[in-house]
Amino acid sequence: QQQVKQSPQSLIVQKGGISIINCAYENTAFDYFPWYQQFPGKGPALLIAIRPDVSEKKEGRFTISFNKSAKQFSLHIMDSQPGDSATYFCAASGEGSARQLTFGSGTQLTVLP
Amino acid sequence: EPEVTQTPSHQVTQMGQEVILRCVPISNHLYFYWYRQILGQKVEFLVSFYNNEISEKSEIFDDQFSVERPDGSNFTLKIRSTKLEDSAMYFCASKGEYYGYTFGSGTRLTVV
Repeated sequence: QQQVKQSPQSLIVQKGGISIINCAYENTAFDYFPWYQQFPGKGPALLIAIRPDVSEKKEGRFTISFNKSAKQFSLHIMDSQPGDSATYFCAASGEGSARQLTFGSGTQLTVLP
Repeated sequence: EPEVTQTPSHQVTQMGQEVILRCVPISNHLYFYWYRQILGQKVEFLVSFYNNEISEKSEIFDDQFSVERPDGSNFTLKIRSTKLEDSAMYFCASKGEYYGYTFGSGTRLTVV
């Protein structure tokens, strides 16, 4: 019920291409869906987040698409750059006053120059 | 930009020893968290702390773990008797009234 399933586990994209990472959840009480970027040896850094009252949110080259009925959301990275090479985690939170995050398993993105 | 600061960045300890991981959250944040990440795996929630008490904890956060906010700025995670499987990256995070989480850079704990 609390799991967030993320795919693919790894992704290799050419520079300038589109990177797409998908996540699915089961808990309908989740109401906040962030994506985090993590570089080796660093903590997760918030990239972009969405609430379920909108179906899409765009910030620069990063877009979240959200499908409430399917309980799925995805991250699209347009014009992928080698500097985007990192591990990306989707997450969700909702229940509980502290709103702890439930993370997906992560996607290691490699953007080839 | 405000940061969450964690010390030490790397801690090596012998099995059975006590360790204390330290964090300085962002000053005006209200909620404080510890998460851990075993090498190559996902980030897992350990505990949340609000209004000077634990608000939620996961199954991982057993009696060997404790948290404390001894003064107005520090937030600590204590592991009383470390086990090999406690080896992981431990992240402190804080957030304000709304959703904005900020994570620290982590403490890599190695239990030998």
